[in-house]
Amino acid sequence: DTGVSQDPRHKITKRGQNVTFRCDPISEHNRLYWYRQTLGQGPEFLTYFQNEAQLEKSRLLSDRFSAERPKGSFSTLEIQRTEQGDSAMYLCASSLIGQGFGDEQFFGPGTRLTVL
Amino acid sequence: SQQGEEDPQALSIQEGENATMNCSYKTSINNLQWYRQNSGRGLVHLILIRSNEREKHSGRLRVTLDTSKKSSSLLITASRAADTASYFCATVLRMDSSYKLIFGSGTRLLVRP
Repeated sequence: DTGVSQDPRHKITKRGQNVTFRCDPISEHNRLYWYRQTLGQGPEFLTYFQNEAQLEKSRLLSDRFSAERPKGSFSTLEIQRTEQGDSAMYLCASSLIGQGFGDEQFFGPGTRLTVL
Repeated sequence: SQQGEEDPQALSIQEGENATMNCSYKTSINNLQWYRQNSGRGLVHLILIRSNEREKHSGRLRVTLDTSKKSSSLLITASRAADTASYFCATVLRMDSSYKLIFGSGTRLLVRP
C-alpha cells in the first residue's frame, strides 16, 4: 500500500497522559499536513511541513501540542497532558510540490483519540 | 473557524436519484475541492474546480462554482448505495509556500437501496 498511513488507528488514554501519533506520507511527497476532525464537523488545519521545516501552525495548536518531521519523511504529533476536549480524529495528509495549482492532498485513515 | 458551510447537513435519497449538495464560503479562494469520507475511512479527493472555472464534470459528478455568490454545488447523478458517505467542500487558501484546505461541516448523504 503506497498511500498515507497513520499509527495507531485508535488510542484511548486517561486525562493528563501524553500521547504520540505517527504519520507516514506517500514516499515522494515533501509536504505534510495535520488536521483535527471532531464529530459532525469537517477537518480543521493544525500544522504543515515542507520537508523537515514546520512552516505554519494554527492557533488551534496549543502549547501542549508539538509536531515534528525530523528527516523530512514521517511525522509525529504529540499531545501532552491530554484533556477531554482533545478527543477527536487526527488526520494526516501529504502532497507533492509542483503537482500544480491547488495542491491535491492525500489523506491517511486517521488516528481516533479518546480521552477519558 | 471553518470557512465553508454545506447545505443540507443531511440528505436521504433512493438509489438512482440525483443528489445535490451546496457549499457557501466567505473569502476569496484559489480553488475549491470536494472530498468524500466514508465511515471508518479517510478523506478521498473527488474533484477540484479552479476559481476561473464555472463548471466541471468527472464521471457521475458535476461541480459548479459561482465566485460572485461565493458558492459551489456538487451533483451526483444516478446515485448508488456505495455513494453513502459524508461530502465536504474545501476552499483552498494560499499560505506562504503551499495551500491550506479549509473544510466545511459536510453533508451526510444516505442512498437507500
